[in-house]
Amino acid sequence: NAGVTQTPKFQVLKTGQSMTLQCAQDMNHEYMSWYRQDPGMGLRLIHYSVGAGITDQGEVPNGYNVSRSTTEDFPLRLLSAAPSQTSVYFCASSYSSGGGNQPQHFGDGTRLSIL
Amino acid sequence: AQSVAQPEDQVNVAEGNPLTVKCTYSVSGNPYLFWYVQYPNRGLQFLLKYITGDNLVKGSYGFEAEFNKSQTSFHLKKPSALVSDSALYFCAVRANDYKLSFGAGTTVTVRA
Repeated sequence: NAGVTQTPKFQVLKTGQSMTLQCAQDMNHEYMSWYRQDPGMGLRLIHYSVGAGITDQGEVPNGYNVSRSTTEDFPLRLLSAAPSQTSVYFCASSYSSGGGNQPQHFGDGTRLSIL
Repeated sequence: AQSVAQPEDQVNVAEGNPLTVKCTYSVSGNPYLFWYVQYPNRGLQFLLKYITGDNLVKGSYGFEAEFNKSQTSFHLKKPSALVSDSALYFCAVRANDYKLSFGAGTTVTVRA
């Protein structure tokens, strides 16, 4: 049982490049989400999904796309990387029962630098 | 809109002393409140949550938190801190949807 697995762990991009951050969970969780962590700002929600085929925007969705074709995977796509997207990205998952009262399980993050 | 405030960027305590990390929240409706801990270069780990019922919630590693509805607070406490408790702590709140809002985090340093 690996929990939430994020790849890659580190990535350096040039401005304008695109890339996909991968997230997979093996706990059969319905709910998955992406956050970015910046110093002094806590974690901010980018996109989330309450099940396969269903996604919605969070607090800071601009510049990012997501899709959820399976329960296990929830990739995050940067369309055209900008220096402002330099951050640490975390994927999380949880059961959706209880209307959101379940704790989330986090991956170890992807550290992304945009030059 | 929901929000969380952690008024202290840093908390420093001596090992064996009580530890308190403060959190206040703003939300419409009944809140779901969480505390998470983050160690260097790792993801967040769940410590405890308040959903309903008893205002004092017990969690992992000897931590507890007290929910105070009138003061809209959910302070994290540990009676006797350990050096290994040194980490970054986040308070988070959820309202009636699945969106989780985090505070900015409090760095706890426990000195030997």
